Amino acid sequence: NSKVIQTPRYLVKGQGQKAKMRCIPEKGHPVVFWYQQNKNNEFKFLINFQNQEVLQQIDMTEKRFSAECPSNSPCSLEIQSSEAGDSALYLCASSRTVSNERLFFGHGTKLSVL
Amino acid sequence: GDSVTQTEGPVTVSESESLIINCTYSATSIAYPNLFWYVRYPGEGLQLLLKVITAGQKGSSRGFEATYNKETTSFHLQKASVQESDSAVYYCALGAQGTGSKLSFGKGAKLTVSP
Repeated sequence: NSKVIQTPRYLVKGQGQKAKMRCIPEKGHPVVFWYQQNKNNEFKFLINFQNQEVLQQIDMTEKRFSAECPSNSPCSLEIQSSEAGDSALYLCASSRTVSNERLFFGHGTKLSVL
Repeated sequence: GDSVTQTEGPVTVSESESLIINCTYSATSIAYPNLFWYVRYPGEGLQLLLKVITAGQKGSSRGFEATYNKETTSFHLQKASVQESDSAVYYCALGAQGTGSKLSFGKGAKLTVSP
């Protein structure tokens, strides 16, 4: 069973609404990733963190999404104004070391934007 | 950009038969890509099956094998005799070495092993 905990499992929002999802990485994992998997099973990298600092993010994330990984609190990913195209499975993953590409994934949050 | 093309599901195989799921990659921005197979079993999160970071080497796990072939830019997943418990979705992925490197995933192949 996954030790990366994502909540909620399902999220339904109307267009224009905010959508927020959370992730508790595996204990002791300083590196956290967010990916979007669309209905065509395509993965899109969104953003990653090392502890509280952003390492990389794509343009879309910078403009419409906000994400953070505060110390001693769950990481979060929030879409400021949801669009129909944001409907997807959002996957959080964590990694034990900064150079270890073995990712541990959560079950994901399935977002439906109506 | 960097990308992965793999056999896309569904793939149906009878128990004890052999399996191959093809994966080819294009690494335009990565000099020495690392290659991975991830698997999602029903009801579970995505998890690493095997990885190979050096061209020419083979990785293996749970009876599955994959060889990193730089000449053909391939990383096919094989198993000699599948079991019903191998039914899952298999994803090929590539990434660079280094700090927090993101992965590029294929679209996944849904394997169903029939008894």
